[in-house]
Amino acid sequence: DTGVSQNPRHKITKRGQNVTFRCDPISEHNRLYWYRQTLGQGPEFLTYFQNEAQLEKSRLLSDRFSAERPKGSFSTLEIQRTEQGDSAMYLCASSFAPLEVTEAFFGQGTRLTVV
Amino acid sequence: QKEVEQDPGPLSVPEGAIVSLNCTYSNSAFQYFMWYRQYSRKGPELLMYTYSSGNKEDGRFTAQVDKSSKYISLFIRDSQPSDSATYLCAMNQMNRDDKIIFGKGTRLHILP
Repeated sequence: DTGVSQNPRHKITKRGQNVTFRCDPISEHNRLYWYRQTLGQGPEFLTYFQNEAQLEKSRLLSDRFSAERPKGSFSTLEIQRTEQGDSAMYLCASSFAPLEVTEAFFGQGTRLTVV
Repeated sequence: QKEVEQDPGPLSVPEGAIVSLNCTYSNSAFQYFMWYRQYSRKGPELLMYTYSSGNKEDGRFTAQVDKSSKYISLFIRDSQPSDSATYLCAMNQMNRDDKIIFGKGTRLHILP
């Protein structure tokens, strides 16, 4: 296992189309995070899972965004009816949290461009 | 007030200098503090993490946490051009149901 894997690395889509991204975490990690990052900003929290349970979803996240982690392993993030403001780097991270150890390891991200 | 504040820079220093990067935060419940390095168009890479107050050293890097002042620092000794990147501070409350909050990141340039 070489780390967190995200696919695709780049996605260009037309406004109004739906897109789906995939994240494969480090295999023994039970916690999975999705973040969004725009140029010159730090990662902005979107949502996170503990195993298959979605524990929190950012209030900034519109109803067009949905994430799943059906078997507690890989996760998908879907954006419906994309808008130009959705253009960003979408980052996935995973961690192993048996107690309070929560350092997270990131994938390389999926760069979304909405034209 | 944002939960985590970080000067975005850019910060330019000559090679070999000591670099000091800092963040302030407002949530006194934060207990776990991390520093990530991010190269252009790459995902963040975990550099160091510390729990509660105190110092932690790893090679040329030292992380400091002052919870009384809600202030954390990352020091880089003998800086190298390869250290040029964006440095992100991050923190959370260390309970089971909490997310990690990031600063904006500081862009660092080490001049050869």
